[in-house]
Amino acid sequence: EVQLVQSGAEVKKPGESLKISCKGSGYSFTSYWIGWVRQMPGKGLEWMGIIQPGDSDTRYSPSFQGQVTISADKSISTAYLQWSSLEASDTAMYYCARQRGGPSFDVWGQGTKVTVSS
Amino acid sequence: EVVLTQSPGTLSLSPGERATLSCRASQRVSSSYLAWYQQKPGQAPRLLIYGASSRATGIPDRFSGSGSGTDFTLTISRLEPEDFAVYYCQQYDSSYSFGQGTKVEIK
Repeated sequence: EVQLVQSGAEVKKPGESLKISCKGSGYSFTSYWIGWVRQMPGKGLEWMGIIQPGDSDTRYSPSFQGQVTISADKSISTAYLQWSSLEASDTAMYYCARQRGGPSFDVWGQGTKVTVSS
Repeated sequence: EVVLTQSPGTLSLSPGERATLSCRASQRVSSSYLAWYQQKPGQAPRLLIYGASSRATGIPDRFSGSGSGTDFTLTISRLEPEDFAVYYCQQYDSSYSFGQGTKVEIK
């Protein structure tokens, strides 16, 4: 079964760092780009960026460039999204998703809920 | 950056009725790069339509997509109880973007 499994919910304080993960299985991880999508509470979907795990080629939405870092470790079929200094406004659900040819996202992780509060 | 505007914001319909959802782009989008997703509360989005009109694996044929240029439509021919959800369109044109969503609610 093709799936993306994300790391668990996080509760952090402003200024703290965080790295969440997305592990792929059931397919060739390096054959598909992996994207990250933010969904703030009660709001819509926002594309953050995308990475090709094979060579770590990464593209960012202008809205998120410099705010987060996307990386991948192909040896363990895992992509990451990280923050160096969280803000309360980073509170959201974060999804990873596999980009099929298209490009659209055909397989989604279950989401990682990030709460930033003092 | 391409901005996608979905309408209406909310669609109130009864099971068995036809739903027509609109997605308008601020500039021309290749039909190959337009997709639709369904999201239910507490769940991740699910791909319904890619390439403007191709159904994703396992998607019932009551879902159909159409359109080109700047105007795209998702049609649900007969609403089933499980179809009440939020629907998003998404495009790629050197960057990705999503519409703000249309909520299909039970009337």
